[in-house]
Amino acid sequence: QKEVEQDPGPLSVPEGAIVSLNCTYSNSAFQYFMWYRQYSRKGPELLMYTYSSGNKEDGRFTAQVDKSSKYISLFIRDSQPSDSATYLCAMTLDSNYQLIWGAGTKLIIKP
Amino acid sequence: GAVVSQHPSWVICKSGTSVKIECRSLDFQATTMFWYRQFPKQSLMLMATSNEGSKATYEQGVEKDKFLINHASLTLSTLTVTSAHPEDSSFYICSARDPVGAGEKLFFGSGTQLSVL
Repeated sequence: QKEVEQDPGPLSVPEGAIVSLNCTYSNSAFQYFMWYRQYSRKGPELLMYTYSSGNKEDGRFTAQVDKSSKYISLFIRDSQPSDSATYLCAMTLDSNYQLIWGAGTKLIIKP
Repeated sequence: GAVVSQHPSWVICKSGTSVKIECRSLDFQATTMFWYRQFPKQSLMLMATSNEGSKATYEQGVEKDKFLINHASLTLSTLTVTSAHPEDSSFYICSARDPVGAGEKLFFGSGTQLSVL
């Protein structure tokens, strides 16, 4: 079993829809949770960073962490074609950034 | 956010030659840099962690003599793929850790696509 599980997709939704991306993990000691967006042939870009449980909102993006269920989510509201990319979750035990990565979910927003 | 510059963005080389990839932190001093490899439709695979002024720490299964890492200054780390072969063809990405401040401290370069003929 992988430490972090993420459905690779692709996930295809119409423009304007609310998108829900998820990861599950097995190590209850993870404390820091991140979502990165990666366009094709580019390096990942940090979207959201959350410490421990709870929600965090930034514009159209909301990150949720449920440590009791070992489940994290990224919601994208009013999705745009420019949101089409691969979304990777990552997590770590502490802030020294030995990240454990999910496989990434390919998201396609149809105009 | 902070900027990490990675060059070249793509390189094609003949089998047996060596290729050097540079990773620079442009507006912060990175005490730690990371090198990743990514195959198509797969996630990032950490190859090694480099700390300024010391030897890199390689992940299990990564050949240190093949993938030479140098982190001679706080703003520059290089990855040299020595005697490259077609199986080394991949997308290589560096990241740099900004030790100042809190929260979002890990920034990625734009990646290098290596094709070995």
